[in-house]
Amino acid sequence: SQQGEEDPQALSIQEGENATMNCSYKTSINNLQWYRQNSGRGLVHLILIRSNEREKHSGRLRVTLDTSKKSSSLLITASRAADTASYFCATSFFGNEKLTFGTGTRLTIIP
Amino acid sequence: KAGVTQTPRYLIKTRGQQVTLSCSPISGHRSVSWYQQTPGQGLQFLFEYFSETQRNKGNFPGRFSGRQFSNSRSEMNVSTLELGDSALYLCASSLVREGRKNTEAFFGQGTRLTVV
Repeated sequence: SQQGEEDPQALSIQEGENATMNCSYKTSINNLQWYRQNSGRGLVHLILIRSNEREKHSGRLRVTLDTSKKSSSLLITASRAADTASYFCATSFFGNEKLTFGTGTRLTIIP
Repeated sequence: KAGVTQTPRYLIKTRGQQVTLSCSPISGHRSVSWYQQTPGQGLQFLFEYFSETQRNKGNFPGRFSGRQFSNSRSEMNVSTLELGDSALYLCASSLVREGRKNTEAFFGQGTRLTVV
C-alpha cells in the first residue's frame, strides 16, 4: 500500500518557471527521499531529508519537510525540458531500509 | 564508482514459467532491496537483504523469493508466472551505517518483465 499521496498528480509548466510538488504521508518517519523517473526507467535519487531537518537544497532543488503536517514539498526552480519526468517521494523508518512510495507527480516542461 | 546494475533489462516469459533477475549493488553497499512497479499499484516493496539475510518482506505471495550472496549481489526469483506479474522490477542498494541510520537508496535501471 502507498504511504501517501502526491499532489498534483500531473503538472505542466513553461520552461523557466518553477515547479512545486507536494507529498503527504500517514505515519511518523525517519527520513524522506525524493526520486525522479524518466519514462519507466530507473529511479534517480534527488535528495534525502531527515525528520529533524526542515529544509534542504541541492542545486535547483529545494525540499521542505513539515513533520507536524506529515508533508513535504519539492521545488524545482528555473525548470528545463530535461526536468520532464515523474517525481516520487519515499519514506522510511529508523532501522528499516524499506521505502514506502507516494503515487508520484508527472511533470511536463513545455519548451 | 559504478551504479546499481540490473540484468537483464528486458524479459518476456510465458505464464507458468519462472524467472530469475539479478542485481549488483554499488560497491560497499550491503543492503539490497527489490521493488515492483506497475501502473495500477505503483511502487511496492518486495524484500530487503542485508549480509545474506532477508530483513524485511513485503506483502507478496511466496512465489516471489530472493537471496543475497556474500559479495552482496542479489537475485530475485518469481515462480509460476502470472500475467499480473508483468512489471518493472527495481533493485536498490544502500550503505547501511552503524546505528542503522537510513541512508540514500540508489536504484538500478530495472528489469522490464512481460508475461504472456
